[in-house]
Amino acid sequence: RKEVEQDPGPFNVPEGATVAFNCTYSNSASQSFFWYRQDCRKEPKLLMSVYSSGNEDGRFTAQLNRASQYISLLIRDSKLSDSATYLCVVNRNYGGSQGNLIFGKGTKLSVKP
Amino acid sequence: GAGVSQSPSNKVTEKGKDVELRCDPISGHTALYWYRQSLGQGLEFLIYFQGNSAPDKSGLPSDRFSAERTGGSVSTLTIQRTQQEDSAVYLCASSLNSGQIQETQYFGPGTRLLVL
Repeated sequence: RKEVEQDPGPFNVPEGATVAFNCTYSNSASQSFFWYRQDCRKEPKLLMSVYSSGNEDGRFTAQLNRASQYISLLIRDSKLSDSATYLCVVNRNYGGSQGNLIFGKGTKLSVKP
Repeated sequence: GAGVSQSPSNKVTEKGKDVELRCDPISGHTALYWYRQSLGQGLEFLIYFQGNSAPDKSGLPSDRFSAERTGGSVSTLTIQRTQQEDSAVYLCASSLNSGQIQETQYFGPGTRLLVL
């Protein structure tokens, strides 16, 4: 099983749509979870951290299910500018230090007018 | 403030040559990471520096790859005897490493390496 697995997409959705991405991870000891966004030929940038209680930032909602070892990202009211690749990220090291992060290959989202 | 910077932004080299890639982390960040991203692939962890501790080199793909971090700031990734499969974008990231689990890594723009 891959350490972090995502559906590569692409997800082609119209503006205003709601879209959800899921991601599974294999290391049950992982403690840090993130969604990063990567635009074409650009570096990844943090979109949001994912907390056990779930968290929301505007149109974006992230959920963590430790029992099933999956993370989700929900985007409501999609905008054209949301078109990008969304990377699911999990830390490898267990304990007090974040250590290195494991990146999924990403899910490509394309929002159409 | 200034973000993570990397140089050169693009590098074309011939197979068998050595290359050096440079990373300047955000001032005050004690943790520094190198990743590479091949075309259409996810990010692959290479090496992690944390302060004065021994680096985590577990991701280096072969002994042709090495990295150092001088004075706890600037880092150089060296690839010796480059091969065509080394062609990729090499990304550097830094973090404050305050000890918090949910700590953001900030990425530089990357160096695009092409080995002919």
